[in-house]
Amino acid sequence: GEDVEQSLFLSVREGDSSVINCTYTDSSSTYLYWYKQEPGAGLQLLTYIFSNMDMKQDQRLTVLLNKKDKHLSLRIADTQTGDSAIYFCAESIPPDSWGKLQFGAGTQVVVTP
Amino acid sequence: GAVVSQHPSRVICKSGTSVKIECRSLDFQATTMFWYRQFPKQSLMLMATSNEGSKATYEQGVEKDKFLINHASLTLSTLTVTSAHPEDSSFYICSARARSGVGYTFGSGTRLTVV
Repeated sequence: GEDVEQSLFLSVREGDSSVINCTYTDSSSTYLYWYKQEPGAGLQLLTYIFSNMDMKQDQRLTVLLNKKDKHLSLRIADTQTGDSAIYFCAESIPPDSWGKLQFGAGTQVVVTP
Repeated sequence: GAVVSQHPSRVICKSGTSVKIECRSLDFQATTMFWYRQFPKQSLMLMATSNEGSKATYEQGVEKDKFLINHASLTLSTLTVTSAHPEDSSFYICSARARSGVGYTFGSGTRLTVV
């Protein structure tokens, strides 16, 4: 099974906040990432967080990291219809922090008017 | 920002033929290239990792003679699906990493259909 787990689906109303959750297993991961994938397209890096950080905010995106519980979340404020996509969390796999990424299964976010 | 150009975006080929997919880093040197396969509504499965000038490292279960990877330069990596079969139909995505920097830049993907 996958070492990174995400809920598969999230429905949110336009203008509300979205929260996507992710759990990972490898406590030695150095970086954790959030990617967005629109239909038929590649992955777009949204944001990342270094493992010694608890929180990172970038415009409408807020990433929270609970290293003790190995829990990562992505909050999207004021969700728009253009935010409808699949969101993947990923962890860099030691021992090489710049090596492989382990992806979760992806969370399908559907934004309704 | 960093851009990876992946071609073709879609390809349909007959069983038994070979298909080459290219990924080019346009404004940076990709010291490492990753090739992924994605099935519908599933996550990305890493197939292989290649470093410029050396042989690719394949993940367990991936046939290296079937999925030929070449990373001959710092800006170009290719994946050739040899003797393609319908079960090879999938979405293939490359990802490049520069020597410095944090993120990985993904190509736009190639939808391969083998008929």
